[in-house]
Amino acid sequence: EIVLTQSPATVSLSPGERATLSCRASQSVGKYLAWLQQKPGQAPRLLIYDTSKRAAGIPARFSGSGSGTDFTLTISGLEPEDFALYYCQQRGNWPLTFGGGTKVEIK
Amino acid sequence: QVQLVESGGGVVQPGGSLRLSCVASGFTFSTYAMHWVRQAPGKGLEWVAFVRYDGSIKYYADSVKGRFTISRDNSKNALSLEMNSLRDEDTAVYYCHVFATSTDFDYWGQGTLVTVSS
Repeated sequence: EIVLTQSPATVSLSPGERATLSCRASQSVGKYLAWLQQKPGQAPRLLIYDTSKRAAGIPARFSGSGSGTDFTLTISGLEPEDFALYYCQQRGNWPLTFGGGTKVEIK
Repeated sequence: QVQLVESGGGVVQPGGSLRLSCVASGFTFSTYAMHWVRQAPGKGLEWVAFVRYDGSIKYYADSVKGRFTISRDNSKNALSLEMNSLRDEDTAVYYCHVFATSTDFDYWGQGTLVTVSS
């Protein structure tokens, strides 16, 4: 099973600041890394798939990068609606696995 | 628009059984693989089970293997999860999830809460 480790667990930032979230895999997942956002009481929502491709309707301030085992989600210029939980998920190997999540909270 | 509507959650005693359902609309259900994903209260996401578009291949998380059974009825656009020998640690919101690899086709239901408690 591929273990995904997200860091930090929580990051405190102010609106307008840049958020950099990390996801490290225990073995290569190729390009099949997705990022999802989840707000309280809601289902997750896809932000990024295949490491760096934005889903439809996702603002350009969200970007993904990386390869193999190290991946990053960057939010350039946090908006109030971006304060939420973020999960990475690898979709290239069975079983599919999720990272433990990073909470982006308002400082 | 794509909709996934789960039902069947509730409170069940340890060792009991429950059957979850997910009815899909807004896309050609019979051509997409389907997944169940769960989230324990205050915890992260855990993938639970997968079924191929035609039902011929199924995968399970080790934590539920031998106890849960995923199935689908393409004539009814319906996905199911039969859960037996339920344990306290199965308490979670269960989501129905569909996605297509390397595309942004990715949809989740609203979730249904399963509580295992005596």
